[in-house]
Amino acid sequence: EDQVTQSPEALRLQEGESSSLNCSYTVSGLRGLFWYRQDPGKGPEFLFTLYSAGEEKEKERLKATLTKKESFLHITAPKPEDSATYLCAVQAGSNYQLIWGAGTKLIIKP
Amino acid sequence: NAGVTQTPKFRVLKTGQSMTLLCAQDMNHEYMYWYRQDPGMGLRLIHYSVGEGTTAKGEVPDGYNVSRLKKQNFLLGLESAAPSQTSVYFCASSGPRLGQGTYNEQFFGPGTRLTVL
Repeated sequence: EDQVTQSPEALRLQEGESSSLNCSYTVSGLRGLFWYRQDPGKGPEFLFTLYSAGEEKEKERLKATLTKKESFLHITAPKPEDSATYLCAVQAGSNYQLIWGAGTKLIIKP
Repeated sequence: NAGVTQTPKFRVLKTGQSMTLLCAQDMNHEYMYWYRQDPGMGLRLIHYSVGEGTTAKGEVPDGYNVSRLKKQNFLLGLESAAPSQTSVYFCASSGPRLGQGTYNEQFFGPGTRLTVL
């Protein structure tokens, strides 16, 4: 069964303390892995798409990487405004549907 | 551009009542989706549409119906609401696949918080 698991469920960091969020997946025929950010009371907002193992993408303090089994979202020197829930989703085979993880809630304390 | 909009933002229903959630997008996207989001769970796809006049079932379609009469609108209906349908509902849209194996990201609306008593 296709599955996406995110860890940890929640992560509390001090401002400036770098860390990584994990998204592990078991799917047949990965077509793309997506990272989204979701603020409380809002819809998810697209961050990155990764298509193949070894690929990396960066945006400000965020960097996403992809291997054959997992993806990491690295956050460098985070600021309080980076606090949000980060969602990972996978598209596999010819399916239009995304398989979503439950998310990691990131809290950055000033 | 407003992007993806949803109405209403909040709604409280009694068990057995019906309602329709409206989603509109102004990006000329072909694909549209309805999701529900529950605490501790990933987004789950209810129904989706790959073009005007077409709809398909997602992961959790039971108790819901959809229609896509116009390209920019995607309606989600609950014919007889149940407490298990208490959730936050998100609509999303995306452009067509860019090429073989390459998918466009989905753009989400702000959500509708539905409570069924």
